[in-house]
Parts: sequence; C-alpha cells; structure tokens
Amino acid sequence: QSALTQPASVSGSPGQSITISCTGTSSDIGGYNYVSWYQQHPGKAPKLMIYDVSNRPSGVSDRFSGSKSGNTASLSISGLQAEDGANYYCSSYTSGSVVFGGGTKLTVL
Amino acid sequence: EVQLVESGGGLVQRGGSLRLSCATSGFTFSKYSMNWVRQAPGKGLEWLSYISSSSTTMYYADSVKGRLTISRDNAKRSLYLQMNNLRAEDTAVYYCAKGYYYDTISAFDIWGQGTMVTVSS
Repeated sequence: QSALTQPASVSGSPGQSITISCTGTSSDIGGYNYVSWYQQHPGKAPKLMIYDVSNRPSGVSDRFSGSKSGNTASLSISGLQAEDGANYYCSSYTSGSVVFGGGTKLTVL
Repeated sequence: EVQLVESGGGLVQRGGSLRLSCATSGFTFSKYSMNWVRQAPGKGLEWLSYISSSSTTMYYADSVKGRLTISRDNAKRSLYLQMNNLRAEDTAVYYCAKGYYYDTISAFDIWGQGTMVTVSS
C-alpha cells in the first residue's frame, strides 16, 4: 500500500487553469476506475471534489474535472479563484484498501 | 443536515487503548459504508479502515491490521474504532467518513470534524 505520488505544490494566477497529477501503479489507479480527489483547507475536514475518476458530486463547481490515463490520474481546475487555494489529495481503491497521495498544495498567486 | 461527530480522542500512553465513536445524523446510516481516515500533524491523509453497511465486510490498512477494529451499530447510527497497543506514530486527527454511494470504498462524501489522538511515550 505505497502512497500515490503527487507534486508537492502547484501555483497559478486567478483565471488560469492548472492540473495536478497523481501517479500510481497498475495495482491501484491503473487497475480500477475508482480515483477520487479531495480538497482540504487548513484546519478543515476534506471535501470530495471528484469520484470514480471523472464524476463531480452535486454542488461541486464544473471548473473541477478529473481524468485518468494508464497509471496516472489528473485533477484540472479552470478559472482559478482565490478560494481554490488549498491542499488536494488523490486516492485510489486497491484490492481491499484505499491509498492516498501525499497531497499537493495549490497556491493562487 | 447530514452530520458526523467524532468523540473519544485524547491523550494516552504508549501501549494503551482508546475507543473512538462517530455519531451520525441526517441520512439513512444503515444504507452506507463507513470509513476511518487519519491525518498526523502537518501530514497527509491515511486511510485506516472500511466497514460495509451491514457489517459483513471490513478492510484494514496493513499499517494498523491487528491493532484496530472497526464496528458499527446501525440501530444507534454510530461507527466505532477500537484502537489497541497504541504507538507514538498513531498520533493524529482521526476522521470518520461516509461512503458516497451504497457500499463503495472508493469515495467519501461526508467527513466529521475529527478527533485528536495523542500517544505519549
């Protein structure tokens, strides 16, 4: 159950688009369409942003989108807003367990 | 309003035990899987355990297998985590999290505010 690999940080200016990658293996991301993405502001509980690779829960802005290619999943955010600045975590199902990525800090410049 | 409220955290000595609880409201608890996830200070999220809606299936992370036991009481709408033989590296905020749909293990849509567990050496 090794952690998924995410960049430690990404940044972008308001209105721009960014993408956060999440790399795993054929045993997790590559083997199942069960990738989720969470947003976490400091001191707060995580919030589900994307589930099952590319689906948005009700109430999540359509500026957020998810995709997957092989063993790598991606979260894209378009039209960056100040409130998007947070930590983002990916996760994947893997044979009877769940593995998270190390997290990516998004800074909106 | 859908709500999860954890309790039972605190300061415990190395080797000790704690039982965390998660009280739920605002949704049909008995229809959804539940999970425990923790976050060490300044660190990322770590999934710990899953229990299906009817308690027929439980999963654990390798790092805690044998020391943690997940359970639920659908009549009381509550989730539990029994933690034994605690170690310093178990120090973290512990969250309960609801499965987004039915017995999914892959997505958690509602999270509690967390309860802090501190293990002293």
